[in-house]
Amino acid sequence: DAGVTQSPTHLIKTRGQQVTLRCSPKSGHDTVSWYQQALGQGPQFIFQYYEEEERQRGNFPDRFSGHQFPNYSSELNVNALLLGDSALYLCASSLGISGELFFGEGSRLTVL
Amino acid sequence: AQSVTQLDSHVSVSEGTPVLLRCNYSSSYSPSLFWYVQHPNKGLQLLLKYTSAATLVKGINGFEAEFKKSETSFHLTKPSAHMSDAAEYFCVVSYYGNNRLAFGKGNQVVVIP
Repeated sequence: DAGVTQSPTHLIKTRGQQVTLRCSPKSGHDTVSWYQQALGQGPQFIFQYYEEEERQRGNFPDRFSGHQFPNYSSELNVNALLLGDSALYLCASSLGISGELFFGEGSRLTVL
Repeated sequence: AQSVTQLDSHVSVSEGTPVLLRCNYSSSYSPSLFWYVQHPNKGLQLLLKYTSAATLVKGINGFEAEFKKSETSFHLTKPSAHMSDAAEYFCVVSYYGNNRLAFGKGNQVVVIP
C-alpha cells in the first residue's frame, strides 16, 4: 500500500518563475494538506483541500495556489518565486479534515 | 492563536541515558497535542498524540508524553536513548479539533555513542 507520494523530490528555479508540485494521497484518503518547511524551522500550514475545494488556508500570499483533482491528488502552485520560497514542501493526506495526517517525504525547492 | 514553544533547539544525549524534550503550549481551550519525528530525508512520522483521554500517552519506539494542563506542558520522554533516535522532534498543536497543525520549531536530537 503506497503512502503519500510527492514529485519532484528536488528542483531548482530562478526568481520570478513559477513552480508546480504534485502529491498523491495515501490509498483511501480524500483530504490533502500542504506545508512549507524552511531550513531550521517547523512546517507551516499553507492550505487544505477536500472535495476539490480549498477548505482552510494559512497565512500565505495569493502567489500560493492549489488544486485537488477528482482522484484526490493535488497540486501546489507558486507564482513569481522569491528567494524566501526556498523550502521543503510537504504534502499530507488524511481521511476527512479531522483524520490522522500521513506525510510524504517532500519536494525540496531551491530558488536562485 | 494556538502555538507551541520548544526550547533547546539542539539536544545531545548519551546512548542509554534518558531523553527529555520540553514543550509548552498556549491555547484558549483544551487542545489536541502531538509529537512528530523527522529523520533526515524522510517524511514526518507521528510518535504519539493526546486528545483529552489519558494524560499519559504512550507512543511508538518507547516514547511517552504527559499532558499537564496546570503547566500547559506536553513534554516527551524516553527512558533510554538509542542511536536510531537521532532525528528532529516537533511538538504540534491542532486547531479547533481538525487536523490543521501548528508546529514548534523543533528539537534536533544527537545521540552520542
